[in-house]
Order: sequence, then C-alpha cells, then structure tokens
Amino acid sequence: GDQVEQSPSALSLHEGTDSALRCNFTTTMRSVQWFRQNSRGSLISLFYLASGTKENGRLKSAFDSKERRYSTLHIRDAQLEDSGTYFCAADETGNYKYVFGAGTRLKVIA
Amino acid sequence: GALVYQYPRRTICKSGTSMRMECQAVGFQATSVAWYRQSPQKTFELIALSTVNSAIKYEQNFTQEKFPISHPNLSFSSMTVLNAYLEDRGLYLCGARTGGYEQYFGPGTRLTVL
Repeated sequence: GDQVEQSPSALSLHEGTDSALRCNFTTTMRSVQWFRQNSRGSLISLFYLASGTKENGRLKSAFDSKERRYSTLHIRDAQLEDSGTYFCAADETGNYKYVFGAGTRLKVIA
Repeated sequence: GALVYQYPRRTICKSGTSMRMECQAVGFQATSVAWYRQSPQKTFELIALSTVNSAIKYEQNFTQEKFPISHPNLSFSSMTVLNAYLEDRGLYLCGARTGGYEQYFGPGTRLTVL
C-alpha cells in the first residue's frame, strides 16, 4: 500500500553473497513483520519486531526504534532456498491493521 | 504454539456463485482477525478487520454486502465471497492476533473463479 514502500522490487543474488531489503513507512509504525511467501503462496513469518533487531541464522532484521519509519531485512550468505517473495507488513501506532509492502522477488542463482 | 488454519485450501466456483471460507486459531485467543486478498501478481490488500466486541471495519473497495464476515468467538472466523467474479480470484489470507501483538497467518484459501 501507499503507507509502505518496499525496495527493491526484484533482486538477483549469487549464492554466498549478502544483501538487504528495506521498507520505508510514511507514518510511524508500532511494529513490523517480515515474511517469505513460498511457491504455494503460504506466508512464512520470519521476524516480528516492535523495536530493535532480531537475528535468526543468516537472516537479521532491524526496526528503527527512534522514528519508527523504516525496517530492514539482511540476508547473509544467500542460498538457493532463500529464493521467494519477501514481504514486510507494519501496523500504525494505535491501529491494529497491518499494511503490506509490494514485496521483493528474490532469486538466488548458483 | 500459535497456529492458524484455513479451510478450504483451494476452491473453484462458477462466476456469480458464492463461496465461504473459514479461519481457525489454535493455541491463542484471536481477539482480532483480519482478512486479506492477494490478487495475481499483487500484494496483500486488507479486506476487513474484525475485533471482538467491536464492529467489523471494511476497507475502501470492500463491503459487507460482498464479503460478509462472522467472528463468533475467540477461535473462529469465516468470510463469504458473494457473487464471485473473475476479479475476486486470488489468495485469501486470514491473520489473527491477540491484542496488539504479532499477527499469525493461515496458509490461505486460493479461489479460482470460472
């Protein structure tokens, strides 16, 4: 939606390289979630952040705690199985509805 | 753990007919349930947000007359797509949460309209 700008829209990575996805918010957000959508369409939750950073294996996410206007997802040592479409979703302070970004289509190549 | 089930996973309906889909939260109390649609090659649009003890709030371009929702208890919600047409096809996701915390999503119901 207009409140969430996700970039890049598409990305190709060679195996073993690192990259970062980003979501900018037009307003202050209370929390953000990152997902990967698999080939069957299911959303796999990667991170939920109300502030700070979280790390899980080769993935790390951060949510700007000061102004709460952007979040990043870092992928380290990309593997073929990381391919998919990544979405961020965020909810405004005081508003419980999540707004999704347009997604980043990631392709990891050998 | 917190899980959300959706049924059916896939469905096909004829143009002009209606289709009901269900969402069940297991392991937590779904005080709010949000229904989303992902049209082909697009992102997820919020259809409506249902919060226990509050009226269901529909987003612009979505109406109760077209997408009636029921949220009778803290574990179950259903939504019907009435008079489905080609533009209604897509993946319908249910997201449930307790209070203002993490939203858990079901696997979705994929609707094909013939």
